[in-house]
Amino acid sequence: AQSVTQLDSQVPVFEEAPVELRCNYSSSVSVYLFWYVQYPNQGLQLLLKYLSGSTLVKGINGFEAEFNKSQTSFHLRKPSVHISDTAEYFCAVRPMNTGFQKLVFGTGTRLLVSP
Amino acid sequence: NAGVTQTPKFQVLKTGQSMTLQCAQDMNHNSMYWYRQDPGMGLRLIYYSASEGTTDKGEVPNGYNVSRLNKREFSLRLESAAPSQTSVYFCASNPQSGQGNYEQYFGPGTRLTVT
Repeated sequence: AQSVTQLDSQVPVFEEAPVELRCNYSSSVSVYLFWYVQYPNQGLQLLLKYLSGSTLVKGINGFEAEFNKSQTSFHLRKPSVHISDTAEYFCAVRPMNTGFQKLVFGTGTRLLVSP
Repeated sequence: NAGVTQTPKFQVLKTGQSMTLQCAQDMNHNSMYWYRQDPGMGLRLIYYSASEGTTDKGEVPNGYNVSRLNKREFSLRLESAAPSQTSVYFCASNPQSGQGNYEQYFGPGTRLTVT
């Protein structure tokens, strides 16, 4: 079974400051990794994903994440945040096993960007 | 493409009433999912349908039933609503294995209040 831990339930930051949202996972098999973003009163949309290859993954809106297999982490970063980045961010994993597999989500981190 | 659509957007029920949440996708995806989102708990899987004609329980299936009406549509039914079912419900779909895309696509959500 897999589990995803997002230790920070809320991260306040000032506009134009850098931010890192942490994600750690546990799995007995290799996994694919995802970050989703949920803007207020909306559904989730994919921010970025790691399937294979380079461990540094770039996503939409200037976000990037780095997969660290030894530390089982997939932290999300942005060098300079905007007010419009205020949202909830979810980390998720999916086993690489063949056949039908489900996504396992973390509990989310609320990013609050203030002027 | 409309993607994943859900109806209704909002609903208020009294305890004991029943209702069906509708979900449809126009992306020819094989798999569909129902999640509930509660503060501090992230997304929890209620039921899923790996392919047309099959449905399975997720983490929190009690009090719910589902129907995979056809490849496009996947409905969630509350037979006798309880206040504990007050939540935001999301439907999602995914092409599933063999197509190289493991991303799930989410609908805009249904905000349900049970009084």
